[in-house]
Amino acid sequence: GIQVEQSPPDLILQEGANSTLRCNFSDSVNNLQWFHQNPWGQLINLFYIPSGTKQNGRLSATTVATERYSLLYISSSQTTDSGVYFCAADTDKLIFGTGTRLQVFP
Amino acid sequence: DSGVTQTPKHLITATGQRVTLRCSPRSGDLSVYWYQQSLDQGLQFLIQYYNGEERAKGNILERFSAQQFPDLHSELNLSSLELGDSALYFCASSLDPTGDYGYTFGSGTRLTVV
Repeated sequence: GIQVEQSPPDLILQEGANSTLRCNFSDSVNNLQWFHQNPWGQLINLFYIPSGTKQNGRLSATTVATERYSLLYISSSQTTDSGVYFCAADTDKLIFGTGTRLQVFP
Repeated sequence: DSGVTQTPKHLITATGQRVTLRCSPRSGDLSVYWYQQSLDQGLQFLIQYYNGEERAKGNILERFSAQQFPDLHSELNLSSLELGDSALYFCASSLDPTGDYGYTFGSGTRLTVV
């Protein structure tokens, strides 16, 4: 089956810093989603992005489907950005990556 | 509130017992998916139902079963529980069987087996 890898596994930032999270997938997918899992365990949809670039406030995402990767950019990070970020490849069901754990300190 | 309701939020039970987790999909969604998030296995797809019928099966153990009822709510039954079944169980829903219009996740049920 399809493999989804994320890097880095862990990221520690000071408030205000920018970061880039990467997601590689091993096969063609219908779509690609990014999620944020907050410290309380809730999974929150960030982006639904099969290709191209989307922006939502301080977050943006780019998927290059032909090269099988997606990037999530977080700018001017805040402590509330802490948590785990997952990408998931959509192959009629979601196959999740292993996540990037982000900690933002004041 | 995402519109997907999972109950209970927390469950503590003993090994060997059986539990039922419930999921009500977002209004209008016909498809329900179950996922298990454990420390060692990450987020794994278990099973999908669409309009009452099983549509896809993932890494679901034989001790686990699910169904989707005529009112579209779904239940995940876990039996002969083991310590390793402790995990966060998520339900997600989508309008169509292939998730073309996106997925909405519930807040999960945290199961602890002692």
